[in-house]
Amino acid sequence: QKEVEQDPGPLSVPEGAIVSLNCTYSNSAFQYFMWYRQYSRKGPELLMYTYSSGNKEDGRFTAQVDKSSKYISLFIRDSQPSDSATYLCAMVAGNMLTFGGGTRLMVKP
Amino acid sequence: DAEITQSPRHKITETGRQVTLACHQTWNHNNMFWYRQDLGHGLRLIHYSYGVQDTNKGEVSDGYSVSRSNTEDLPLTLESAASSQTSVYFCASSPAGGRTDTQYFGPGTRLTVL
Repeated sequence: QKEVEQDPGPLSVPEGAIVSLNCTYSNSAFQYFMWYRQYSRKGPELLMYTYSSGNKEDGRFTAQVDKSSKYISLFIRDSQPSDSATYLCAMVAGNMLTFGGGTRLMVKP
Repeated sequence: DAEITQSPRHKITETGRQVTLACHQTWNHNNMFWYRQDLGHGLRLIHYSYGVQDTNKGEVSDGYSVSRSNTEDLPLTLESAASSQTSVYFCASSPAGGRTDTQYFGPGTRLTVL
């Protein structure tokens, strides 16, 4: 069993939809949680960073962490075609990042 | 602007050959990392370095080596390339201290081993 599980998708939604992306994890030592966005043939870029359980909002993006359930989510409101990318969750124990496999999102105009 | 670059962007080689992938960052970050990305496995850590002359093995280090002679560069060497090493390779860096987990990624090198 992988430490971090993420549905690979693809997830296809119409423009303007609310998107929910999720990861589950098994390692209780994970302290920080991040979401990276990766466009096709590009390197991942940091999108959101959270530490504690609860919600963190940044524009159209909301990151949610539930440590008791070992479950994190990324919500995208009013999704745009430019949001089409692969979204990777990442988790930190010590100084090491462990990535989920990524979910490919397609937002159709 | 500070950045992280990788070269070459694409490489085709034959099994058994030695290959070196370059990574150069101008952020003056102490920490540098090499990952490979494969379908179904996400990003997996190959090697990492916390400073000059420091190198450490990651999750999938067999068949790879790195050396760190200055702050800016961390070249990745495949000693004898194998078809299983066909992948996309990403270099990343992060500052020392504090949130060293915030990593900045390069554009990637697509390596094909025939």
